[in-house]
Amino acid sequence: KAGVTQTPRYLIKTRGQQVTLSCSPISGHRSVSWYQQTPGQGLQFLFEYFSETQRNKGNFPGRFSGRQFSNSRSEMNVSTLELGDSALYLCASSLGDRDNSYEQYFGPGTRLTVT
Amino acid sequence: GEDVEQSLFLSVREGDSSVINCTYTDSSSTYLYWYKQEPGAGLQLLTYIFSNMDMKQDQRLTVLLNKKDKHLSLRIADTQTGDSAIYFCAERPPGGYQKVTFGTGTKLQVIP
Repeated sequence: KAGVTQTPRYLIKTRGQQVTLSCSPISGHRSVSWYQQTPGQGLQFLFEYFSETQRNKGNFPGRFSGRQFSNSRSEMNVSTLELGDSALYLCASSLGDRDNSYEQYFGPGTRLTVT
Repeated sequence: GEDVEQSLFLSVREGDSSVINCTYTDSSSTYLYWYKQEPGAGLQLLTYIFSNMDMKQDQRLTVLLNKKDKHLSLRIADTQTGDSAIYFCAERPPGGYQKVTFGTGTKLQVIP
């Protein structure tokens, strides 16, 4: 079974631009979560989608948004990029259909650099 | 609130046991996890423990949970150079679905 895939793997953008990252979960998984990883703040939860609905949200500004499609693939978008948005963005998938679907599998991440 | 803390660095000799510690503050956490992250890679789920358990063993890995002190540990027996990585503990509250809070990470260095 294929793992979680994320595209692109690396991205360089300029301040003020916007960016869209993509995540394809493991087949059969309906929950996709996004995390931001930086040396200073560590791993922080952005949001989680399940069946095309945002089910949970972390403490990030509205510039960070996401969506999920009917095939469970998810995208996250960051508008008006700031230097501090430079990070590794990780997505994770799980079954998500009941509270005890506890196993979450991570993709390799997208390394975003904002200059 | 939710806050998960770990020591930043641990160095051990190959063949020795490693013990990585973690403290958490959310006493309602249902699941507690250990993840491994190698350079340039995503996170790999190593093991997890339910909050109604005290111990879980999985091959070379042993997880101990002390709910009274909100302390979680991961013991790696016979540590190998391939175990060198950053290890994260994480907690998930009940009903929180996948809103997982991660610790700061412990970098494990294995000396040959």
